[in-house]
Amino acid sequence: QQQVKQSPQSLIVQKGGIPIINCAYENTAFDYFPWYQQFPGKGPALLIAIRPDVSEKKEGRFTISFNKSAKQFSLHIMDSQPGDSATYFCAANPNNTDKLIFGTGTRLQVFP
Amino acid sequence: IAGITQAPTSQILAAGRRMTLRCTQDMRHNAMYWYRQDLGLGLRLIHYSNTAGTTGKGEVPDGYSVSRANTDDFPLTLASAVPSQTSVYFCASSDSSTGFDTQYFGPGTRLTVL
Repeated sequence: QQQVKQSPQSLIVQKGGIPIINCAYENTAFDYFPWYQQFPGKGPALLIAIRPDVSEKKEGRFTISFNKSAKQFSLHIMDSQPGDSATYFCAANPNNTDKLIFGTGTRLQVFP
Repeated sequence: IAGITQAPTSQILAAGRRMTLRCTQDMRHNAMYWYRQDLGLGLRLIHYSNTAGTTGKGEVPDGYSVSRANTDDFPLTLASAVPSQTSVYFCASSDSSTGFDTQYFGPGTRLTVL
């Protein structure tokens, strides 16, 4: 069963646009929400992460918005660039475990 | 520092054959993980190890086994491969001794079972 639901499956934007990727989680208590970026032929790499005690975290052009009551969190990419073209995964860490539960991924394409 | 290495990079395997995917990390991380990545399904945890000498089952463990004889190595074995095990396999590690930490991923092994 999918405990972290991610949408959309794919996203196409022009350079300078602001793609938004959404994730929602169900039931289980989670206490850490990372986003991973994966380029073709490579392994995923941590991009940015947030804990549920804050509603927003920004690192450079990447921002996570977190809504604890709605059990939703999203990734915004400001001023997107062709080099941001990759697959993005949201994830959630269940309390008191070392595991991550991943969303199904969003393939982002940024055209010049 | 290499981080995490995986071998082989890719492999084509006949159904029914035994196969071991290798994973080695040089970061002295206590926790290691094996995932499979399939289109539309994301990354699913197969097995994990919180520390050398211990292993646990993830979301999709059937048909796979692991061992953790030391800190650095975490091989994944398919005892009798089946076509549904065609996937890209990623090994990851993390230092969870001080609380949850970032998982670092290897470059992956692309496995095709015919």
